[in-house]
Amino acid sequence: DAKTTQPPSMDCAEGRAANLPCNHSTISGNEYVYWYRQIHSQGPQYIIHGLKNNETNEMASLIITEDRKSSTLILPHATLRDTAVYYCIGDSGNTPLVFGKGTRLSVIA
Amino acid sequence: GAGVSQSPRYKVAKRGQDVALRCDPISGHVSLFWYQQALGQGPEFLTYFQNEAQLDKSGLPSDRFFAERPEGSVSTLKIQRTQQEDSAVYLCASSSKSGTGSYEQYFGPGTRLTVT
Repeated sequence: DAKTTQPPSMDCAEGRAANLPCNHSTISGNEYVYWYRQIHSQGPQYIIHGLKNNETNEMASLIITEDRKSSTLILPHATLRDTAVYYCIGDSGNTPLVFGKGTRLSVIA
Repeated sequence: GAGVSQSPRYKVAKRGQDVALRCDPISGHVSLFWYQQALGQGPEFLTYFQNEAQLDKSGLPSDRFFAERPEGSVSTLKIQRTQQEDSAVYLCASSSKSGTGSYEQYFGPGTRLTVT
């Protein structure tokens, strides 16, 4: 699986967009980019995934660069409940997910 | 609908005791995963089942760890002769798709194991 690099922590003001970056320069052509988040004392929660095209669902948007070496998860209007650790994972579907340490997002009132 | 459930939510064991952790996946999900999460770290893969078959156990840290899913639904993770380094949160996840990476995985709340 592609190794990903994320900043250890970020802050975001409530109501503003949270933009979480992820570098995955070694990602291969068949590896998807997955985002999960983990709220304190809960199990991880799937957010979104993509291969080449940008994706949007009810939770977030995923912007993947054309060279696929990086991506950004966007939470358009962050709330206090979005405070969590966010994990970016490169996965081909054939090997176990590798979570890493993720980015701790703190949404501030 | 019901999500993934795990029991017990908390377990305290004395060093050397055996423990059994239970996972009830989402009904009909073919894939089931176990992860171990140490404090301040991301989850680490332990083992994967497709229905009742254990297809990948590469992440099990020692032969003291054993997992089963005999009827392709409920799974049990057993740890024999627990050690202090086994203290962690054990997470179970299930997915409707096959494959160890397997698209969206739905996680349970975890069992926090403390070995004293």
